[in-house]
Amino acid sequence: AQKVTQAQTEISVVEKEDVTLDCVYETRDTTYYLFWYKQPPSGELVFLIRRNSFDEQNEISGRYSWNFQKSTSSFNFTITASQVVDSAVYFCALSGLTQGGSEKLVFGKGTKLTVNP
Amino acid sequence: DTEVTQTPKHLVMGMTNKKSLKCEQHMGHRAMYWYKQKAKKPPELMFVYSYEKLSINESVPSRFSPECPNSSLLNLHLHALQPEDSALYLCASSQRVTSEAAEQYFGPGTRLTVT
Repeated sequence: AQKVTQAQTEISVVEKEDVTLDCVYETRDTTYYLFWYKQPPSGELVFLIRRNSFDEQNEISGRYSWNFQKSTSSFNFTITASQVVDSAVYFCALSGLTQGGSEKLVFGKGTKLTVNP
Repeated sequence: DTEVTQTPKHLVMGMTNKKSLKCEQHMGHRAMYWYKQKAKKPPELMFVYSYEKLSINESVPSRFSPECPNSSLLNLHLHALQPEDSALYLCASSQRVTSEAAEQYFGPGTRLTVT
């Protein structure tokens, strides 16, 4: 069975602080995909990144960076110099290799990030 | 353009009403999804359509009836709902790549209240 654990339920930081959101996953698949989504108060889930299990390169996109470590089954997300607009619930998700043309995303419970001015 | 649209944004319905939620995408995606999200919880998958055919039904009660009239449209027909069905209903779509799990793009959701 696949499982995603986001141990941090809520994090509160002050603007310009760096913050790391943790994600630990469990799967028996050798090929799998990891995702991060952002859900601001408006409700829409915004796709941030997709990573496959064969690509362990870390990725940086502006103030966002992701650290994928297969050895510890972790896919952590860091926001550098946080801003108030980063306040949202962040979900880590896992999907196995597509079978029969359908994908099931397994979501973690989410981490609510509040960035205070 | 990575836009998925959903109508209506808000819906209040009684337990005896029949209503429909609508989702539309014009990204050429061939997989579409319905999720239900309760407050402070992650989204829960309800249905998946792949090439306009229902491929996954996560044991959803029959009072929820999905429909995929064409590759761009996805509907969710609601009938005889219960107050516990009140939630945010999210639609998503993704490319259909047989050997990969593509990212899903979500709509803004319909906030449903059943009275």
